[in-house]
Amino acid sequence: GESVGLHLPTLSVQEGDNSIINCAYSNSASDYFIWYKQESGKGPQFIIDIRSNMDKRQGQRVTVLLNKTVKHLSLQIAATQPGDSAVYFCAENKGDYKLSFGAGTTVTVRA
Amino acid sequence: DTGVSQDPRHKITKRGQNVTFRCDPISEHNRLYWYRQTLGQGPEFLTYFQNEAQLEKSRLLSDRFSAERPKGSFSTLEIQRTEQGDSAMYLCASSLDDTEAFFGQGTRLTVV
Repeated sequence: GESVGLHLPTLSVQEGDNSIINCAYSNSASDYFIWYKQESGKGPQFIIDIRSNMDKRQGQRVTVLLNKTVKHLSLQIAATQPGDSAVYFCAENKGDYKLSFGAGTTVTVRA
Repeated sequence: DTGVSQDPRHKITKRGQNVTFRCDPISEHNRLYWYRQTLGQGPEFLTYFQNEAQLEKSRLLSDRFSAERPKGSFSTLEIQRTEQGDSAMYLCASSLDDTEAFFGQGTRLTVV
């Protein structure tokens, strides 16, 4: 079965607002997570990653938070833009970059 | 374009036929991965190569599936005697050792 899972399958957000996408994992030994964005008809695109020795990591307009106590991670997108509309996946790196993906959250940005 | 390239982008085949997909990774990448993605789901790992060696195969990869990477560069994924359940997007990714994997745009297979 899945080692990572997303909380909500869809998220609708107003342009300019912040988006938060959540993900839970089951294995407390998991130590490396990656967020991917997938637009229609394209392959997944790397957004940001985080290892278990960190609680937070920031990129351009994105922040990933990792809470190892409750085995939860989240992706925050600041000032959401129409180009952010896509399916977002959290994935666990099981070693050698073999990835276990969750089911995905579809983000729709309202103008 | 120096990204991961997959061919064809779309394939429609009749049940029982064999199909072969090709993946050209980023040139300096020594690892190559195959994933399968069905509608509404995340990609599922199938197999991966380090150079020409196939290091791991998922239980999802039935005997009808075979993957090769003969010279450690491009890879092929063949499905024999296709079934309707094989309809999916087949994604290829490549990486340099244990660093970020880059995905291609996939081959969408429809078995009718």
